[in-house]
Amino acid sequence: DQQVKQNSPSLSVQEGRISILNCDYTNSMFDYFLWYKKYPAEGPTFLISISSIKDKNEDGRFTVFLNKSAKHLSLHIVPSQPGDSAVYFCAASAYNQGGKLIFGQGTELSVKP
Amino acid sequence: DTGVSQDPRHKITKRGQNVTFRCDPISEHNRLYWYRQTLGQGPEFLTYFQNEAQLEKSRLLSDRFSAERPKGSFSTLEIQRTEQGDSAMYLCASSLDGTSGGIYNEQFFGPGTRLTVL
Repeated sequence: DQQVKQNSPSLSVQEGRISILNCDYTNSMFDYFLWYKKYPAEGPTFLISISSIKDKNEDGRFTVFLNKSAKHLSLHIVPSQPGDSAVYFCAASAYNQGGKLIFGQGTELSVKP
Repeated sequence: DTGVSQDPRHKITKRGQNVTFRCDPISEHNRLYWYRQTLGQGPEFLTYFQNEAQLEKSRLLSDRFSAERPKGSFSTLEIQRTEQGDSAMYLCASSLDGTSGGIYNEQFFGPGTRLTVL
């Protein structure tokens, strides 16, 4: 059972425009959500996170929105830059489950100059 | 400390052989996680340690897999009698305890070990 889903395998955006990456989850026990960025031949790098008690968290060009009633979160990147091109993974965690992360399948973002 | 390191970065082996991977976490981190990633998928949880204690193992971790963290520092993941289906990227991550003062302690990942079973 796929508890975290990223339904768009790829996304292409023009430099300077907004990138919106989406993620859905099914387990209502999740209380922390994270986005990781991954380049080829490297491990995932932590980008931004949000607790289930919040609906928005912002860090520079990156903003994560959480809609608990819809069990949906999104990552906004504004403005997008060519260096943002990578695979983005959404992940979720439940406090009472040891902190292990449940990942989505990933979305490959391509930012074109 | 430069982060989480993993060794080797690449391993090619023949079916039926045993392989062992090593992970060195960030020194002050007491939690260590192992994940496996196959092509086109996100990382999947395998097991985790709190200090030297292995607290959870995924059902993905068959009897051929064993992980240790003998002194609560580095960890090893051994796969016995490898199968072609074991070919994947094996990722290690470390973190402090789950939360500190209500703030989630994110996991920092190593570069991974790419295993190819022929």
